[in-house]
Amino acid sequence: QKEVEQDPGPLSVPEGAIVSLNCTYSNSAFQYFMWYRQYSRKGPELLMYTYSSGNKEDGRFTAQVDKSSKYISLFIRDSQPSDSATYLCAMGDLTGGGNKLTFGTGTQLKVEL
Amino acid sequence: EPEVTQTPSHQVTQMGQEVILRCVPISNHLYFYWYRQILGQKVEFLVSFYNNEISEKSEIFDDQFSVERPDGSNFTLKIRSTKLEDSAMYFCAIGQGAVGYTFGSGTRLTVV
Repeated sequence: QKEVEQDPGPLSVPEGAIVSLNCTYSNSAFQYFMWYRQYSRKGPELLMYTYSSGNKEDGRFTAQVDKSSKYISLFIRDSQPSDSATYLCAMGDLTGGGNKLTFGTGTQLKVEL
Repeated sequence: EPEVTQTPSHQVTQMGQEVILRCVPISNHLYFYWYRQILGQKVEFLVSFYNNEISEKSEIFDDQFSVERPDGSNFTLKIRSTKLEDSAMYFCAIGQGAVGYTFGSGTRLTVV
């Protein structure tokens, strides 16, 4: 079983739709969770960061963490064509001493006019 | 202006040659990281660097790899003898768990 599972997509939605992106994980030691957006051949750009179970909202983005189910989500409201990118979930723990992040494979999102 | 600048943006090298990838954070940071992403695959951790020494490394980071912070600002990744399978995007990152991580725009390494 992979440490972090993420559906690679592609996911195609019409402009204005609510997008739901998800990851599951197996390592109970993960304590902090992030969502990154990545455009082709560019570096990951941090969108959301959360340290605990529950919801965190920032503009059109809401990150949700359910540690009991080992499941995290990112919701995008009123999606725009500019949201078209690959969305990466990433998570980390404090046990290794190196603060490393473990990434999902990324979900490719296309928002169509 | 990006917080983390990486040079070069693209490097083509012959198999067996040494390459040095550079990273310059804009402001002072304590934690530095290198990640790589083979085309079409996920971002993978290589190494973390804290207080001028390696704090954690992955299985990928073998004896062919080394990191250095030679002048207190630049942070470099050296690959001594490149292999075809080293072709990837290499990302430098700064930050830590409590505040999140910022990635550079990456260096695309092509080994021919």
